[in-house]
Amino acid sequence: SQTIHQWPATLVQPVGSPLSLECTVEGTSNPNLYWYRQAAGRGLQLLFYSVGIGQISSEVPQNLSASRPQDRQFILSSKKLLLSDSGFYLCAWGLGVGELFFGEGSRLTVL
Amino acid sequence: GQQLNQSPQSMFIQEGEDVSMNCTSSSIFNTWLWYKQDPGEGPVLLIALYKAGELTSNGRLTAQFGITRKDSFLNISASIPSDVGIYFCAGRSYGQNFVFGPGTRLSVLP
Repeated sequence: SQTIHQWPATLVQPVGSPLSLECTVEGTSNPNLYWYRQAAGRGLQLLFYSVGIGQISSEVPQNLSASRPQDRQFILSSKKLLLSDSGFYLCAWGLGVGELFFGEGSRLTVL
Repeated sequence: GQQLNQSPQSMFIQEGEDVSMNCTSSSIFNTWLWYKQDPGEGPVLLIALYKAGELTSNGRLTAQFGITRKDSFLNISASIPSDVGIYFCAGRSYGQNFVFGPGTRLSVLP
C-alpha cells in the first residue's frame, strides 16, 4: 500500500534562517506531488506541485521554493524565513485524475 | 481563482444526531473529495465522487455529487464523539488542480 511521510513534524526557526521540509512517498511510481499551506482555521492553499522529477510549478509568488530530486521525494525550502511563513505545511500525492492523499503535516513557527 | 463555499461554517450537535453539510462552487467540477482533519494532523480522505448524481457511502458517512456538478453534500448519521473535527470538501475540473473549501467545524456534545 502507498504511504506518505513528511518531516519534521514541528519546527521553530528564527527569522532569516533557512528551511527544509521533506516529503517522501512509498508504494507508487511517478506520483504528482504537492505542497500546501494551511493558515490557522482556514482552508488549504496550494504552493507548489510537481508532475515529475525536476518539474516544479508554483501557484503563488512567495519566499519559498520546491524541488523534486527523486521520483518520490519532494522538498520545500527557503533561504531566509519570514514571520509570515509560519503555518501548517502539508505534502500530498495523487495519480492522474484520482484522489489526493496527505501527509501528517509540519508545523512551522517563525520567531 | 476558483472558490468553494462550505456551509455551515461550524455546527454543534448532540451525540446520536445526524449531520448534513454542503459545498458549492461557481464552476463545474468533475471530481469531488471529502476530508476530515483532526487538530495538528493532515486531512484524511473520506469519500471520493466522480460522477454527477453519484451517491457513495463509507460507514456512517454518505456523500453525493450534485446533479448540477456545482455542489456536493456530506451526511453523517448517528454522530459519535470521534466525529469531531474539520470537514473539507475539494473539487477539481479536468486539467486543473483541486480547490479546497474553508471547512466545516463539527463539535459533538455528549
